[in-house]
Amino acid sequence: KAGVTQTPRYLIKTRGQQVTLSCSPISGHRSVSWYQQTPGQGLQFLFEYFSETQRNKGNFPGRFSGRQFSNSRSEMNVSTLELGDSALYLCASSLEILGVQETQYFGPGTRLLVL
Amino acid sequence: GQNIDQPTEMTATEGAIVQINCTYQTSGFNGLFWYQQHAGEAPTFLSYNVLDGLEEKGRFSSFLSRSKGYSYLLLKELQMKDSASYLCAVKGNYGQNFVFGPGTRLSVLP
Repeated sequence: KAGVTQTPRYLIKTRGQQVTLSCSPISGHRSVSWYQQTPGQGLQFLFEYFSETQRNKGNFPGRFSGRQFSNSRSEMNVSTLELGDSALYLCASSLEILGVQETQYFGPGTRLLVL
Repeated sequence: GQNIDQPTEMTATEGAIVQINCTYQTSGFNGLFWYQQHAGEAPTFLSYNVLDGLEEKGRFSSFLSRSKGYSYLLLKELQMKDSASYLCAVKGNYGQNFVFGPGTRLSVLP
């Protein structure tokens, strides 16, 4: 079974631009979560989508948004980029059976550098 | 509130045993997970505890005490490739997200 894939793997943008990151979960996984990881802050939860609906949201400004498609693929968008948005963005998918969410499996991440 | 604590850094010698502790206070509990993350790479799943006790998987074991809000990851016969960050994460109740600890950076020395 293929793992979680994320595109692109690396991205360089300038302040004020916007960016869209993509995540394809493991086949059959309907829950997709996004995290931001920086050296100082560790792994910070952005949001979770399940069956095309945002189920949870972390403490990030409205510039960070996401969506999930009917095939469970997910995208996240960051508008008006700031230098502090430079980070590794990780996507994780998990299976949910009878309301029980199983282990999260991570994709390789997208490393975003904002200049 | 949600709070997970782990030591920031640990150092151990090749061939030795190391125990990485994790304490948590979360509003719900539906399992505790350990992940390994090498520098520049994504976290990879190591182990999962939902009931009290010890789960063993080869050189790695994980223990959970729900009443104490405490877990540890035990690594035996340490190898140089075990140098990595180890993340403790708690899954809350249904509909709640995973909460990750700050991670423990383990350095294995020859």
